[in-house]
Amino acid sequence: DVKVTQSSRYLVKRTGEKVFLECVQDMDHENMFWYRQDPGLGLRLIYFSYDVKMKEKGDIPEGYSVSREKKERFSLILESASTNQTSMYLCASTTPEGAPSYGYTFGSGTRLTVV
Amino acid sequence: AQTVTQSQPEMSVQEAETVTLSCTYDTSESNYYLFWYKQPPSRQMILVIRQEAYKQQNATENRFSVNFQKAAKSFSLKISDSQLGDTAMYFCAFMTQGGSEKLVFGKGTKLTVNP
Repeated sequence: DVKVTQSSRYLVKRTGEKVFLECVQDMDHENMFWYRQDPGLGLRLIYFSYDVKMKEKGDIPEGYSVSREKKERFSLILESASTNQTSMYLCASTTPEGAPSYGYTFGSGTRLTVV
Repeated sequence: AQTVTQSQPEMSVQEAETVTLSCTYDTSESNYYLFWYKQPPSRQMILVIRQEAYKQQNATENRFSVNFQKAAKSFSLKISDSQLGDTAMYFCAFMTQGGSEKLVFGKGTKLTVNP
């Protein structure tokens, strides 16, 4: 089975801190995504990446950046954490289009609280 | 831009009964995928079912089936013989085929299966 692993399940950070959320997948997938999930808003795309060192802004990139130095790892960076970034963050990768199981595989999520 | 609408924020059903979750979407694309994802409480988001827009036949996966009405842009999920383990948030999602593989999510329906 494909595994997408997010390094932290729960994080508490202080306002103004630089925060790194790590995501690793073990199936050599090219496409990786970061979403945030908020009650009543569903999932919103922050950033995604097609390949190493390539990144694209999603719908809500403000206040975030990403890094993809290796194919298996996609990091989300909060440059200066703010309380409105308190949320659940979900990482995902996609199986190749056409595969029987085509779709996203999600990590378990990181619940970030900024105080 | 594509949008996905889930008009039922919460639903409940008795164990062993059938329930249908609604989803409508808006797109000008002809070729796309539609998905239903399930997120159990405090657990990982998993793929329930996928439908390719070019296929007329409705997708089924065991107790889960969809009613895909392309002209009406409707994509409902039917859960038969509901089980307690079906209690979860359910998200409908849209992806343009051959595009960036970005998923656009609805805001979710919270389903509770009662014993």
